[in-house]
Amino acid sequence: NAGVTQTPKFRVLKTGQSMTLLCAQDMNHEYMYWYRQDPGMGLRLIHYSVGEGTTAKGEVPDGYNVSRLKKQNFLLGLESAAPSQTSVYFCASRRQGWEDGYTFGSGTRLTVV
Amino acid sequence: DQQVKQNSPSLSVQEGRISILNCDYTNSMFDYFLWYKKYPAEGPTFLISISSIKDKNEDGRFTVFLNKSAKHLSLHIVPSQPGDSAVYFCAAMGNTDKLIFGTGTRLQVFP
Repeated sequence: NAGVTQTPKFRVLKTGQSMTLLCAQDMNHEYMYWYRQDPGMGLRLIHYSVGEGTTAKGEVPDGYNVSRLKKQNFLLGLESAAPSQTSVYFCASRRQGWEDGYTFGSGTRLTVV
Repeated sequence: DQQVKQNSPSLSVQEGRISILNCDYTNSMFDYFLWYKKYPAEGPTFLISISSIKDKNEDGRFTVFLNKSAKHLSLHIVPSQPGDSAVYFCAAMGNTDKLIFGTGTRLQVFP
């Protein structure tokens, strides 16, 4: 049982390049989330989805886009990467209800130079 | 505007003693509170949760206490073990489907 899988695990981008981070979950969860973690800032919500075909903005959505074409996948796109987007990105999913919290992936470390 | 605050960036505790991690929140609409543990190079893992209708929840060595009037919750780990050394995040959720995290507290348990 894989849980939440993020690809790639590491990536270095040049300023202005684009890329897509993929998140896949095999738990049939309705809700999916993208967070970024920066030193001293905790985890901040970028975008989230409450079901297939839906997306919504979180706390720090600027510079990112997302898509949820299939229930099991949640894609995070950077159209024109900036050094301020250097961070560790975490995807998470959860079922209906809150008691068990979110299941997180192992993260993608992105560096923009 | 930090809605969930963990004011202690780090905590050092001797093995076998109690670890107490604290968390404050500002939004009275939060209904559910969760604690996560995170090891380096891994994703956060769920530890324990509590609903606003309770003031205590216990799971083995871990107990979470909620004081709604003070908008404060705490995580107690008894007894602390070296494997508990990690970063602990407090998180809160209201009716918006979004979990808001604190900035984390790094716990070090030494022998």
